[in-house]
Amino acid sequence: EDQVTQSPEALRLQEGESSSLNCSYTVSGLRGLFWYRQDPGKGPEFLFTLYSAGEEKEKERLKATLTKKESFLHITAPKPEDSATYLCAVLSTGGFKTIFGAGTRLFVKA
Amino acid sequence: NAGVTQTPKFQVLKTGQSMTLQCAQDMNHEYMSWYRQDPGMGLRLIHYSVGAGITDQGEVPNGYNVSRSTTEDFPLRLLSAAPSQTSVYFCASSFTPGTGGVDTQYFGPGTRLTVL
Repeated sequence: EDQVTQSPEALRLQEGESSSLNCSYTVSGLRGLFWYRQDPGKGPEFLFTLYSAGEEKEKERLKATLTKKESFLHITAPKPEDSATYLCAVLSTGGFKTIFGAGTRLFVKA
Repeated sequence: NAGVTQTPKFQVLKTGQSMTLQCAQDMNHEYMSWYRQDPGMGLRLIHYSVGAGITDQGEVPNGYNVSRSTTEDFPLRLLSAAPSQTSVYFCASSFTPGTGGVDTQYFGPGTRLTVL
């Protein structure tokens, strides 16, 4: 059974304090791993898709990396506007069901 | 493009009532899905569709029905609402996984449902 576990559940940072969010996954065969950002009261917003181990993608202060068992979302010098819930999800090969983790709530204080 | 739209934004039902949550997309995506989001549990897949006339169950399908008569629309029906169905519901769409298109799902703004 496909599973996604995100840690920590919540993370509090000072502005400029870099850190990483973890997404551990179990899947029969990985078609893609996704990162989304979700602001309160809104739908998830797409950030990255990673397809194979060793792949990395960057967008502004965010960088996503992928290994065969986990993915990290690195946040460099975060700002208060980076405060949100970050969701990780996996899609297995040959399947149509995307499985989401419970998310990490990030709080960045000025 | 409007992307993925959902109506209503808020709804309060009494136990036993039925209703339909509407979802539409204008990106010509074949794949559409419904999720519910509860505190601490992330998004759970209710039903999905890989094209008009084709639907299948997700992780938590009980109490919900779907149909897909057009590419654009994918309504979710609650047959007899129960308090356990109080949740936030999200609709999403993408190209059908594995067909060569991009697998990224695009989400609507959500419907917040309360069942009393």
